[in-house]
Formats: sequence, structure tokens, C-alpha cells
Amino acid sequence: EAGVTQFPSHSVIEKGQTVTLRCDPISGHDNLYWYRRVMGKEIKFLLHFVKESKQDESGMPNNRFLAERTGGTYSTLKVQPAELEDSGVYFCASSHFRTSYEQYFGPGTRLTVT
Amino acid sequence: DQQVKQNSPSLSVQEGRISILNCDYTNSMFDYFLWYKKYPAEGPTFLISISSIKDKNEDGRFTVFLNKSAKHLSLHIVPSQPGDSAVYFCAVRGWGKLQFGAGTQVVVTP
Repeated sequence: EAGVTQFPSHSVIEKGQTVTLRCDPISGHDNLYWYRRVMGKEIKFLLHFVKESKQDESGMPNNRFLAERTGGTYSTLKVQPAELEDSGVYFCASSHFRTSYEQYFGPGTRLTVT
Repeated sequence: DQQVKQNSPSLSVQEGRISILNCDYTNSMFDYFLWYKKYPAEGPTFLISISSIKDKNEDGRFTVFLNKSAKHLSLHIVPSQPGDSAVYFCAVRGWGKLQFGAGTQVVVTP
């Protein structure tokens, strides 16, 4: 069974540009989460989808971040315009509705804003 | 505010001995507690979990202990192997989302 996949693995952009990160969850997982780790600190929650609906977006830093999950499959996280403090590793995770506490993580996208 | 704390940033242990990792949390409303292992340039890998209604869960070389009165969680790895060298994160689940500790770097030496 394929795990959570994320694309790209690494992105380098200039301040003010736009970047879109993609996450493909494990097949059959209704729950999809985005997390971020900045400067090697704690991994922090950004938001949670149940199928295509946003269940909790309390961790989104500001309105420069937009997440979507059309059709309840893959998800995208767009940062527009990017700022220097957005640099970090963005992780996506998914879980099955029956064992929603067991979240399986993707390899992450390392975003560098210069 | 940081509700999950791993106070030991690093741990060195000899191969074959026991590794004990600790984690403290502040909120008694968390319902699940998890440990993840992370290698460089990879995502966290789920290791083991425990529900708030239990005090111990075992899976092979990994055992998680939960002390609710002390709000303390620990992970025992025995015996430790060189492949266990990684960063270990404890995580707690509350209101559907995970909160992570800062991680403990474990180095298993021959």
C-alpha cells in the first residue's frame, strides 16, 4: 500500500512569489492534515480536512495560506505571497476515520523563501 | 503555549541496552498519546500509540507507558539497535489534531 506522498520534495522561491504544495493521502483515508516544522522546532498543526471539508483550520498562520481538497482526495496548500518566515518543512498526514488518532506522515516539502 | 514537553534533547545508549524517552503534557483532555520516529529528510514514522484509558501498550521492542496522574508518557526501547538512532517525537491528540514535543535525538552506540 502506498504511503502519503508529497510534491515537490523541495522548493526554493523568492519572497513575494507563489508556491503550491501537493499531498496525496493514503487511499481510503478520509482525514488529511497539514503540519509545519520551522527552524527545526516543534511540528505544528496547520489544518485538518475530513473528506473535502475543512474540519479545523485554527493553525493556519494568516490569509496568505490557502488549502484545498477538492473531491476529497489530494490536497494542495498554496502560499501567496510567500514571506521569509514561511520557510520550513511542510508535512502532510492522513488517517482512517476508524483509527483517526494514527496519523501517517508524508516525507515533507522543504520550502525555502529567499 | 507549549503543552507537550520533551526535556531531554538527546540520549546516548549502548547497543543492546534499554532506551527510555520521556514526555510531559499539561492538558488532561488529551485522548491519545503517540510516539513517532524521524530520520533526517524524512517524515515522522508512526511507532506506537496508547489511549488515555490504558497505562501500558507493547509492540515488539517498543513499550509505551502512560501515567495520567503525573501527566507523563514514556517510551521504552529494548534492546536498542543501531537502526534506532533517530529523533523521537511524542505527540498528544486533542480535538482531532496532534501536538508534538520538540523531539529527543537518540544515538545508539556499538
